[in-house]
Amino acid sequence: NAGVMQNPRHLVRRRGQEARLRCSPMKGHSHVYWYRQLPEEGLKFMVYLQKENIIDESGMPKERFSAEFPKEGPSILRIQQVVRGDSAAYFCASSLRDRALNTEAFFGQGTRLTVV
Amino acid sequence: AQTVTQSQPEMSVQEAETVTLSCTYDTSESDYYLFWYKQPPSRQMILVIRQEAYKQQNATENRFSVNFQKAAKSFSLKISDSQLGDAAMYFCAYRSATSGTYKYIFGTGTRLKVLA
Repeated sequence: NAGVMQNPRHLVRRRGQEARLRCSPMKGHSHVYWYRQLPEEGLKFMVYLQKENIIDESGMPKERFSAEFPKEGPSILRIQQVVRGDSAAYFCASSLRDRALNTEAFFGQGTRLTVV
Repeated sequence: AQTVTQSQPEMSVQEAETVTLSCTYDTSESDYYLFWYKQPPSRQMILVIRQEAYKQQNATENRFSVNFQKAAKSFSLKISDSQLGDAAMYFCAYRSATSGTYKYIFGTGTRLKVLA
Protein backbone atom coordinates (compact mmCIF):
# COMPACT_ATOMS: atom_id res chain seq x y z
CA ASN A 1 0.00 0.00 0.00
CA ALA A 2 1.78 3.08 -1.25
CA GLY A 3 1.96 6.03 1.07
CA VAL A 4 0.89 9.58 0.32
CA MET A 5 2.54 10.63 -2.92
CA GLN A 6 3.39 14.22 -3.66
CA ASN A 7 4.87 15.56 -6.85
CA PRO A 8 6.98 17.20 -7.79
CA ARG A 9 9.43 16.99 -4.88
CA HIS A 10 11.05 20.22 -5.97
CA LEU A 11 9.52 23.02 -7.99
CA VAL A 12 11.15 26.23 -9.13
CA ARG A 13 9.01 29.06 -10.44
CA ARG A 14 9.72 32.61 -11.46
CA ARG A 15 7.77 35.41 -9.83
CA GLY A 16 4.39 35.77 -11.50
CA GLN A 17 4.15 32.17 -12.71
CA GLU A 18 1.72 29.54 -11.50
CA ALA A 19 2.63 26.61 -9.27
CA ARG A 20 0.64 23.37 -9.20
CA LEU A 21 1.32 20.87 -6.44
CA ARG A 22 -0.18 17.38 -6.60
CA CYS A 23 -1.07 14.95 -3.86
CA SER A 24 -2.30 11.38 -4.22
CA PRO A 25 -3.66 10.13 -0.89
CA MET A 26 -3.18 6.67 0.47
CA LYS A 27 -5.48 4.05 -0.98
CA GLY A 28 -8.88 4.21 0.65
CA HIS A 29 -8.34 7.67 2.14
CA SER A 30 -10.87 10.30 1.17
CA HIS A 31 -9.69 13.17 3.40
CA VAL A 32 -6.80 15.38 2.34
CA TYR A 33 -5.06 18.17 4.24
CA TRP A 34 -2.54 20.69 2.96
CA TYR A 35 0.07 22.31 5.21
CA ARG A 36 2.79 24.87 4.59
CA GLN A 37 6.15 24.91 6.33
CA LEU A 38 8.26 28.02 6.15
CA PRO A 39 12.00 27.64 6.86
CA GLU A 40 12.73 26.86 10.50
CA GLU A 41 9.04 26.81 11.39
CA GLY A 42 6.37 24.23 12.09
CA LEU A 43 3.65 23.15 9.71
CA LYS A 44 0.72 25.51 9.35
CA PHE A 45 -2.70 24.23 8.31
CA MET A 46 -4.01 25.57 5.02
CA VAL A 47 -7.02 23.58 3.84
CA TYR A 48 -8.98 20.38 4.43
CA LEU A 49 -10.80 18.66 1.60
CA GLN A 50 -12.93 15.64 1.01
CA LYS A 51 -13.74 14.35 -2.44
CA GLU A 52 -15.26 17.27 -4.39
CA ASN A 53 -15.70 19.37 -1.24
CA ILE A 54 -13.70 21.96 0.63
CA ILE A 55 -14.45 21.43 4.31
CA ASP A 56 -12.17 23.95 5.99
CA GLU A 57 -10.06 26.57 4.21
CA SER A 58 -9.46 28.79 7.20
CA GLY A 59 -5.69 28.64 6.72
CA MET A 60 -5.64 29.51 3.04
CA PRO A 61 -4.56 32.97 1.94
CA LYS A 62 -7.54 34.80 0.48
CA GLU A 63 -5.92 35.51 -2.85
CA ARG A 64 -3.92 33.49 -5.36
CA PHE A 65 -4.29 30.17 -3.53
CA SER A 66 -6.84 27.48 -4.35
CA ALA A 67 -7.23 23.77 -3.75
CA GLU A 68 -9.34 21.00 -5.17
CA PHE A 69 -9.83 17.27 -4.67
CA PRO A 70 -11.81 15.95 -7.62
CA LYS A 71 -13.76 12.73 -7.71
CA GLU A 72 -11.02 11.20 -9.82
CA GLY A 73 -7.35 12.04 -9.62
CA PRO A 74 -5.07 13.74 -7.13
CA SER A 75 -5.67 16.75 -4.97
CA ILE A 76 -4.19 19.93 -6.43
CA LEU A 77 -2.91 22.98 -4.58
CA ARG A 78 -2.63 25.86 -7.01
CA ILE A 79 -0.76 29.09 -6.42
CA GLN A 80 -1.21 31.80 -9.00
CA GLN A 81 1.22 34.65 -9.63
CA VAL A 82 3.76 33.33 -7.15
CA VAL A 83 5.87 35.70 -5.06
CA ARG A 84 9.10 35.03 -3.18
CA GLY A 85 7.19 34.76 0.10
CA ASP A 86 5.46 31.64 -1.27
CA SER A 87 8.77 29.78 -1.11
CA ALA A 88 8.20 26.98 1.39
CA ALA A 89 7.68 23.26 1.76
CA TYR A 90 4.10 22.20 1.14
CA PHE A 91 2.91 19.01 2.74
CA CYS A 92 -0.12 16.91 2.01
CA ALA A 93 -1.64 14.47 4.49
CA SER A 94 -4.48 11.99 4.10
CA SER A 95 -6.71 10.09 6.49
CA LEU A 96 -9.54 7.60 6.54
CA ARG A 97 -13.12 8.65 6.20
CA ASP A 98 -14.48 6.90 9.29
CA ARG A 99 -14.33 9.14 12.33
CA ALA A 100 -13.78 6.26 14.75
CA LEU A 101 -10.64 5.37 12.87
CA ASN A 102 -9.74 8.94 12.08
CA THR A 103 -7.02 9.28 14.65
CA GLU A 104 -4.00 9.77 12.44
CA ALA A 105 -3.11 11.44 9.20
CA PHE A 106 -0.28 10.16 7.02
CA PHE A 107 2.04 12.70 5.47
CA GLY A 108 3.67 12.87 2.09
CA GLN A 109 7.29 13.91 1.65
CA GLY A 110 6.37 17.42 0.69
CA THR A 111 7.02 19.67 -2.28
CA ARG A 112 9.65 22.34 -1.88
CA LEU A 113 8.65 25.40 -3.85
CA THR A 114 11.32 27.95 -4.65
CA VAL A 115 10.33 31.23 -6.24
CA VAL A 116 13.15 33.06 -7.99
CA ALA B 1 -8.46 28.34 19.45
CA GLN B 2 -5.96 25.64 20.28
CA THR B 3 -2.25 26.39 20.50
CA VAL B 4 0.86 24.25 20.87
CA THR B 5 4.07 25.61 22.37
CA GLN B 6 7.55 24.13 22.20
CA SER B 7 9.85 26.33 24.22
CA GLN B 8 13.12 24.61 23.36
CA PRO B 9 14.34 25.61 19.87
CA GLU B 10 17.32 23.29 20.18
CA MET B 11 18.49 20.47 22.44
CA SER B 12 21.64 18.36 22.54
CA VAL B 13 22.18 14.92 23.99
CA GLN B 14 25.13 12.59 24.23
CA GLU B 15 24.78 9.31 22.43
CA ALA B 16 23.24 6.62 24.69
CA GLU B 17 21.94 9.25 27.12
CA THR B 18 18.34 10.32 27.77
CA VAL B 19 16.74 13.57 26.68
CA THR B 20 13.31 15.10 27.28
CA LEU B 21 11.61 17.47 24.86
CA SER B 22 8.91 19.75 26.24
CA CYS B 23 5.51 20.60 24.82
CA THR B 24 2.57 22.47 26.28
CA TYR B 25 -0.77 23.11 24.68
CA ASP B 26 -3.92 25.05 25.28
CA THR B 27 -7.43 23.83 24.58
CA SER B 28 -10.91 23.93 26.05
CA GLU B 29 -11.76 20.51 24.63
CA SER B 30 -11.66 17.31 26.63
CA ASP B 31 -11.34 14.82 23.81
CA TYR B 32 -8.27 15.11 21.60
CA TYR B 33 -5.07 13.46 20.43
CA LEU B 34 -1.48 14.48 20.88
CA PHE B 35 1.42 13.46 18.67
CA TRP B 36 5.15 13.73 18.37
CA TYR B 37 6.53 13.79 14.84
CA LYS B 38 10.13 13.51 13.76
CA GLN B 39 11.35 15.36 10.69
CA PRO B 40 14.82 14.38 9.47
CA PRO B 41 16.62 16.34 6.73
CA SER B 42 14.67 14.36 4.14
CA ARG B 43 11.62 16.38 5.30
CA GLN B 44 9.48 13.28 5.73
CA MET B 45 7.12 13.62 8.70
CA ILE B 46 7.48 10.44 10.74
CA LEU B 47 5.04 9.65 13.52
CA VAL B 48 6.98 8.86 16.68
CA ILE B 49 4.24 8.42 19.25
CA ARG B 50 0.54 9.16 19.79
CA GLN B 51 -1.49 9.77 22.95
CA GLU B 52 -5.26 9.75 23.31
CA ALA B 53 -6.38 12.31 25.88
CA TYR B 54 -8.93 9.97 27.48
CA LYS B 55 -6.20 7.46 28.30
CA GLN B 56 -4.39 8.09 31.56
CA GLN B 57 -1.58 5.69 30.78
CA ASN B 58 1.41 7.29 29.09
CA ALA B 59 2.16 5.98 25.61
CA THR B 60 5.44 4.21 24.92
CA GLU B 61 7.11 3.05 21.72
CA ASN B 62 10.40 1.27 22.29
CA ARG B 63 12.90 3.98 23.34
CA PHE B 64 10.28 6.73 23.12
CA SER B 65 7.83 7.54 25.88
CA VAL B 66 5.68 10.48 26.87
CA ASN B 67 4.76 12.18 30.11
CA PHE B 68 1.17 13.29 29.58
CA GLN B 69 -0.18 15.64 32.23
CA LYS B 70 -3.71 16.48 31.16
CA ALA B 71 -4.49 18.96 33.92
CA ALA B 72 -1.26 20.83 33.30
CA LYS B 73 -1.69 20.50 29.51
CA SER B 74 1.81 19.17 29.16
CA PHE B 75 3.04 16.48 26.79
CA SER B 76 6.79 15.85 26.94
CA LEU B 77 8.75 13.29 24.93
CA LYS B 78 11.51 11.23 26.50
CA ILE B 79 14.07 9.55 24.27
CA SER B 80 16.13 6.91 26.02
CA ASP B 81 19.45 5.48 24.84
CA SER B 82 19.75 8.21 22.21
CA GLN B 83 21.13 7.21 18.85
CA LEU B 84 22.75 9.25 16.09
CA GLY B 85 19.73 8.52 13.93
CA ASP B 86 17.50 10.34 16.39
CA ALA B 87 18.96 13.67 15.31
CA ALA B 88 16.13 15.60 13.66
CA MET B 89 13.47 18.24 14.18
CA TYR B 90 10.74 17.10 16.54
CA PHE B 91 7.26 18.55 16.36
CA CYS B 92 4.51 18.27 18.93
CA ALA B 93 1.00 18.32 17.46
CA TYR B 94 -2.59 18.53 18.68
CA ARG B 95 -5.66 17.20 16.95
CA SER B 96 -9.25 17.55 18.07
CA ALA B 97 -11.35 14.41 18.33
CA THR B 98 -14.63 16.29 18.37
CA SER B 99 -14.50 19.11 15.87
CA GLY B 100 -15.36 18.45 12.25
CA THR B 101 -11.97 19.32 10.86
CA TYR B 102 -9.52 17.09 12.69
CA LYS B 103 -6.70 19.29 11.51
CA TYR B 104 -3.31 19.14 13.18
CA ILE B 105 -1.93 22.11 15.08
CA PHE B 106 1.84 21.99 15.29
CA GLY B 107 4.37 23.58 17.58
CA THR B 108 7.40 25.36 16.18
CA GLY B 109 9.66 22.38 16.72
CA THR B 110 12.78 21.40 18.64
CA ARG B 111 15.98 20.58 16.82
CA LEU B 112 17.67 17.62 18.50
CA LYS B 113 21.39 17.12 18.09
CA VAL B 114 22.97 13.83 19.12
CA LEU B 115 26.64 14.01 20.01
CA ALA B 116 28.90 11.03 19.40
